[in-house]
Amino acid sequence: KAGVTQTPRYLIKTRGQQVTLSCSPISGHRSVSWYQQTPGQGLQFLFEYFSETQRNKGNFPGRFSGRQFSNSRSEMNVSTLELGDSALYLCASSPGLLAGTLRNSYNEQFFGPGTRLTVL
Amino acid sequence: SQQGEEDPQALSIQEGENATMNCSYKTSINNLQWYRQNSGRGLVHLILIRSNEREKHSGRLRVTLDTSKKSSSLLITASRAADTASYFCATGSGGGSQGNLIFGKGTKLSVKP
Repeated sequence: KAGVTQTPRYLIKTRGQQVTLSCSPISGHRSVSWYQQTPGQGLQFLFEYFSETQRNKGNFPGRFSGRQFSNSRSEMNVSTLELGDSALYLCASSPGLLAGTLRNSYNEQFFGPGTRLTVL
Repeated sequence: SQQGEEDPQALSIQEGENATMNCSYKTSINNLQWYRQNSGRGLVHLILIRSNEREKHSGRLRVTLDTSKKSSSLLITASRAADTASYFCATGSGGGSQGNLIFGKGTKLSVKP
């Protein structure tokens, strides 16, 4: 099976612009999660989508949004970019179980190579 | 907020030596996972240990879990230069969600040939 793919791999934007990042999960995986990685804050959870619904959201401002399509592909959008948004954005997919089943059971996640966003 | 906190933050060893990394966490977990990240790239899943397991092996990797101390350790035996990477532990934060993993800041391992 092909792995998780993310596009683009690198992006340079200026403050105030917006950006859209794309993630294609492993075929058959229904859960897609997004993480932001910075040297200062480390890896932080942004949000998770399952069957086109946002199932969980991290502690990020409303400028960060996402969506998932019927084919499980996901996009995240950051509006009004700030310098502090410069980071490696990682997408991860997993088969996904229905919420409530095997509660608190977190299975292996498969990560893409990431999108390196630089905000100038 | 970080759930897992790894130590040491950085570790430098010679090829052939063993490397041990530790992780502590704060809340109850169902399982704990270890991931590896090569410089600036995606994470690779190494091993998952469930809360009812105390030790697990995978090749040269050995993971232990002590739920009473809320801690885990990752041992890499007979290390190789290719093991040079950052290693993260990750736990689920709860809420019945699959994807809400909380990562520690990681241990940066350098294996010198």
